[in-house]
Amino acid sequence: GQQVMQIPQYQHVQEGEDFTTYCNSSTTLSNIQWYKQRPGGHPVFLIQLVKSGEVKKQKRLTFQFGEAKKNSSLHITATQTTDVGTYFCAGTIYNFNKFYFGSGTKLNVKP
Amino acid sequence: GAVVSQHPSWVICKSGTSVKIECRSLDFQATTMFWYRQFPKQSLMLMATSNEGSKATYEQGVEKDKFLINHASLTLSTLTVTSAHPEDSSFYICSGHPGLYSYEQYFGPGTRLTVT
Repeated sequence: GQQVMQIPQYQHVQEGEDFTTYCNSSTTLSNIQWYKQRPGGHPVFLIQLVKSGEVKKQKRLTFQFGEAKKNSSLHITATQTTDVGTYFCAGTIYNFNKFYFGSGTKLNVKP
Repeated sequence: GAVVSQHPSWVICKSGTSVKIECRSLDFQATTMFWYRQFPKQSLMLMATSNEGSKATYEQGVEKDKFLINHASLTLSTLTVTSAHPEDSSFYICSGHPGLYSYEQYFGPGTRLTVT
C-alpha cells in the first residue's frame, strides 16, 4: 500500500542550529501537507504544496516539493525552543480525499 | 483556523463495553471527516474516511464492525468502539475536511481511550 516515509525519526539540536526533515513517497503525490504536533497536542496545519518543484516560506520555515512530486522537505533556520514538536508530512494521491501521514520527525531544541 | 472539538477528551472503560467518541466541527461544515489512531511516539494511522450521509470507508485492516462510524450531519461524526479490549487503548483523533477546494484538515484535540 501507499507509504510515506519520513526521516529522521528524532533530531536534537542546539537553539540556533538549523533543522531539516525529509518526506518520501513510493507513489507520485497530488499534493503534500505539513503539520506540527506539540507534545500533548493535536496536529496543526502548516502548509500545503501542490506544484512540482514548489518552494514556500513561512518566516524561518522553508518547504519544498520535489520535481517528481515524490518527496518533500521542511527546513527550519535558526531553531528556537518554540519549534519543539513533531513534524508530520501528509500526502494525497489521485483522490484528494485521503491523506497518508509520514512517520513524523520529533524535534527537540536545547536552549 | 477552523475549530474541531472532540468529546470526551479521555475515557476509561472496562473490557467488553462500548465507547462512543464525538467529533464536531464548530465553525465550518465538514463534508468529510477522518478518524485516526495514534500510538505513543508514532504517527497517525488513518482508520476511516466518512462522508456526510454515506457509509464510512475503512482502511485495510480496520474492522468496520468494531469501529462504527456515523456521519449524520455536516458538523458531527461519531466513532463507537464496540466490545473494547485493552489493545484498543490508544489516542483517537478526528479531523474535518471543509470541502473540495480546501485540502487542509482541522484536527480535534483527540480522545485518550484506556480499556482495563
